[in-house]
Amino acid sequence: QKEVEQDPGPLSVPEGAIVSLNCTYSNSAFQYFMWYRQYSRKGPELLMYTYSSGNKEDGRFTAQVDKSSKYISLFIRDSQPSDSATYLCAMGGMDSSYKLIFGSGTRLLVRP
Amino acid sequence: KAGVTQTPRYLIKTRGQQVTLSCSPISGHRSVSWYQQTPGQGLQFLFEYFSETQRNKGNFPGRFSGRQFSNSRSEMNVSTLELGDSALYLCASSLGETGWATEAFFGQGTRLTVV
Repeated sequence: QKEVEQDPGPLSVPEGAIVSLNCTYSNSAFQYFMWYRQYSRKGPELLMYTYSSGNKEDGRFTAQVDKSSKYISLFIRDSQPSDSATYLCAMGGMDSSYKLIFGSGTRLLVRP
Repeated sequence: KAGVTQTPRYLIKTRGQQVTLSCSPISGHRSVSWYQQTPGQGLQFLFEYFSETQRNKGNFPGRFSGRQFSNSRSEMNVSTLELGDSALYLCASSLGETGWATEAFFGQGTRLTVV
């Protein structure tokens, strides 16, 4: 079993829809969580960073962390065709010793 | 503020050769991590450096090595290249003071093709 599980998709939604992307993890020591967006043939771009549990909002993006369920989510409101990309969750903690553990990524397609 | 810069962007090498990739972190960042990204395995951690010291290493063979210079720039080297080393190599930069609790910013990567 992988430490971080993420549905690979693809997830196809119409423009303007609310998108929900999720990851589950098994290591209860994970304390910080990030979401990255990666366009084809580009490096990952950091979207959201959350430390410990709770919600964080930035524009159209909301990140949620539920440590009790070992479940994190990224919500995208009013999705745009330019949001079409692969979304990667990443996490780490004291026992992961300076390395991030990544999910496999979810491909998102926003249809005009 | 300039982002993370990786050079070269693209490389084509022959099996058995060696290659050196370079990463310049964001100014003020002292931690540099390297990751390998392939379609089958996703993003896999190679190693992390802070103040010229390797603090952690992933499960890769000894052909993969790296170093960090006093100005925080980092290089990674792959010797005796194999076809399976074809991948996007990504460098991530972070403040790194605690090593694990800060945001990590990635460069555009170096796409290595081994033929």
